[in-house]
Amino acid sequence: EAAVTQSPRNKVTVTGGNVTLSCRQTNSHNYMYWYRQDTGHGLRLIHYSYGAGNLQIGDVPDGYKATRTTQEDFFLLLELASPSQTSLYFCASSPGMGRYAEQFFGPGTRLTVL
Amino acid sequence: GDQVEQSPSALSLHEGTGSALRCNFTTTMRAVQWFRKNSRGSLINLFYLASGTKENGRLKSAFDSKERYSTLHIRDAQLEDSGTYFCAAVNTNTGKLTFGDGTVLTVKP
Repeated sequence: EAAVTQSPRNKVTVTGGNVTLSCRQTNSHNYMYWYRQDTGHGLRLIHYSYGAGNLQIGDVPDGYKATRTTQEDFFLLLELASPSQTSLYFCASSPGMGRYAEQFFGPGTRLTVL
Repeated sequence: GDQVEQSPSALSLHEGTGSALRCNFTTTMRAVQWFRKNSRGSLINLFYLASGTKENGRLKSAFDSKERYSTLHIRDAQLEDSGTYFCAAVNTNTGKLTFGDGTVLTVKP
């Protein structure tokens, strides 16, 4: 059974729209991450969290908010979506740092902003 | 910030042959992860290394933190190995991954 799930798997919205992407992990991991991946490029970190109620800013945070409501659930919010946010979004979890830093990824959400 | 240079960007192999992918790091990294993105778009974990080498079936990976590189060797390539391969450097102080731009591998009959 998949340990990191994402919903929706596909989403289409219009410019200025409000979108929430959801991620749930059942790994009992402390750390969770949101990435975006654009064609021809590697994944880039948007936001991440060390635990419920914690939020850390990633490398490409502009235009995104995130919230970690529980250990299991991490949400990515686009309050005023723009076409530049059309991308494939991945969520990941890891146990922690050091030798426990291996990340495990969800299946991805493809977002299209028209 | 941390930079990861992955090569080649594209690779074509005939079934049964092999090759190597490489990632160079601009700073000393503590660990590396290798992934394959399959045809459904899912990221499959291949290896996590903090040092040395690991082998799994027809895949073998090495990581040299001091020399700032990692390699992924594929032998006896099969059609199902096709996909995009990513390396990612692990900042074990923050848990953050910095990804290379990927290698698109095509295995042909």
